[in-house]
Amino acid sequence: GENVEQHPSTLSVQEGDSAVIKCTYSDSASNYFPWYKQELGKRPQLIIDIRSNVGEKKDQRIAVTLNKTAKHFSLHITETQPEDSAVYFCAAMVSNLNNNDMRFGAGTRLTVKP
Amino acid sequence: ETGVTQSPTHLIKTRGQQVTLRCSSQSGHNTVSWYQQALGQGPQFIFQYYREEENGRGNFPPRFSGLQFPNYSSELNVNALELDDSALYLCASSFGRRSYEQYFGPGTRLTVT
Repeated sequence: GENVEQHPSTLSVQEGDSAVIKCTYSDSASNYFPWYKQELGKRPQLIIDIRSNVGEKKDQRIAVTLNKTAKHFSLHITETQPEDSAVYFCAAMVSNLNNNDMRFGAGTRLTVKP
Repeated sequence: ETGVTQSPTHLIKTRGQQVTLRCSSQSGHNTVSWYQQALGQGPQFIFQYYREEENGRGNFPPRFSGLQFPNYSSELNVNALELDDSALYLCASSFGRRSYEQYFGPGTRLTVT
C-alpha cells in the first residue's frame, strides 16, 4: 500500500521567512495530494490540494508543487506569520471509484517566531 | 469552520466495552471517511462510506464497523475495546465517490482504561 514520508518533523522560522515542507510517496497510482493544517486541539483544516495532472498550485502565500516522476510534493509558505504556527500534514490518495485510502505523513511542527 | 459535527466530544470506556461515535456531514456532501489519530501522529484511514455503502477500508480489524444513513450522517462502532484504541477519531465529509476535498469534524477523543 501507499507509504508517505514527511520532512522535516519540526521546523522553526523567523516571521517573514519562507517555510518548505517535503513529502514523498511510494504508490505511483496516487493522484490526489492534499495538505492539512492542525492547530493544537483542533481539527485538521484543508489548506491546499493538488491533483496529479497539475505540477503547481498557488493560493496567496501558500503553494504546492508536485513531481510525479520523483514521487514527491512540497508545501511552500512565504512571508510566514506567527498564526502559521501549527502541525502540517501531507497526504496522498489513489482516488478511484472503489477504495479511496488516504495516507498521511507523520506531520511537521512549524513554529514561526515573531 | 466546516459544517461537519461529531459527538460525543470526549468518551471514557473500559477495555472490552463497545462504543459508537457519530458524525454529521457537511450539507451537500454524500461521502464520509473515518480516521484514527493517535497522539503525535497523522490520521490513519479506517473506512469510507459513499451513499450508504462501504467504499473502501484501511488496515483495521473487523471489530471496527460503520454505517451511513440516508441523510449521509454516519456512525463508527468499535467492539471489544483495547487500550490501543485510545485516540482521536475524526470523520471527514466530501462530495462524490472520488472523495476529493475532505473536510474534517472536530473529532471524538476516546480513552480506553
